[in-house]
Amino acid sequence: DAGVIQSPRHEVTEMGQEVTLRCKPISGHDYLFWYRQTMMRGLELLIYFNNNVPIDDSGMPEDRFSAKMPNASFSTLKIQPSEPRDSAVYFCASSFGLQSYTEAFFGQGTRLTVV
Amino acid sequence: AQSVTQPDIHITVSEGASLELRCNYSYGATPYLFWYVQSPGQGLQLLLKYFSGDTLVQGIKGFEAEFKRSQSSFNLRKPSVHWSDAAEYFCAVVPTTSGTYKYIFGTGTRLKVLA
Repeated sequence: DAGVIQSPRHEVTEMGQEVTLRCKPISGHDYLFWYRQTMMRGLELLIYFNNNVPIDDSGMPEDRFSAKMPNASFSTLKIQPSEPRDSAVYFCASSFGLQSYTEAFFGQGTRLTVV
Repeated sequence: AQSVTQPDIHITVSEGASLELRCNYSYGATPYLFWYVQSPGQGLQLLLKYFSGDTLVQGIKGFEAEFKRSQSSFNLRKPSVHWSDAAEYFCAVVPTTSGTYKYIFGTGTRLKVLA
């Protein structure tokens, strides 16, 4: 398996524009996580899905952020409208459930810069 | 609320020296415990994990960690550091009884290795 695949790797956009980040989890994994990493706040969990259903979105900063998982092999994180404070590295991760005693696997991340 | 503390933001060691990175967690029960490593511009890679059983866990790249329930700690160790170990290290916990499946990360420890 190629691992968790995120696209794009880098995104530069102007304030007010819509941004869509994409993630393809590892095949067979039933959990998918979106994290945001910044110098000030470290790694923050934004939302996670189980079997394509959002389970906990309490980490989503505000209504400008939305995430979807239309099927088991694809998820998106959308920011509309984007703001400079959204600049960060966004990671997607996937895993089997804890009963499998395995870990979460992370993608390479998308570095978002909002100017 | 559950939390993870990595008290050392930066650590510098000489190549060949031993290393210990500290991690303490706040949680009523024993969580699942992980150490991840992140190289610049990369995603997070698992070093080792603890679910149950033997409290001394062996990982990749010569790393090990010891779970100490009485101290709520899961410190990472390596007997002899290599220059390629320079990276950022994250401790993470997953609560086991909260009904959710969240990886809670510490703020990370950045390791610098002197030649």
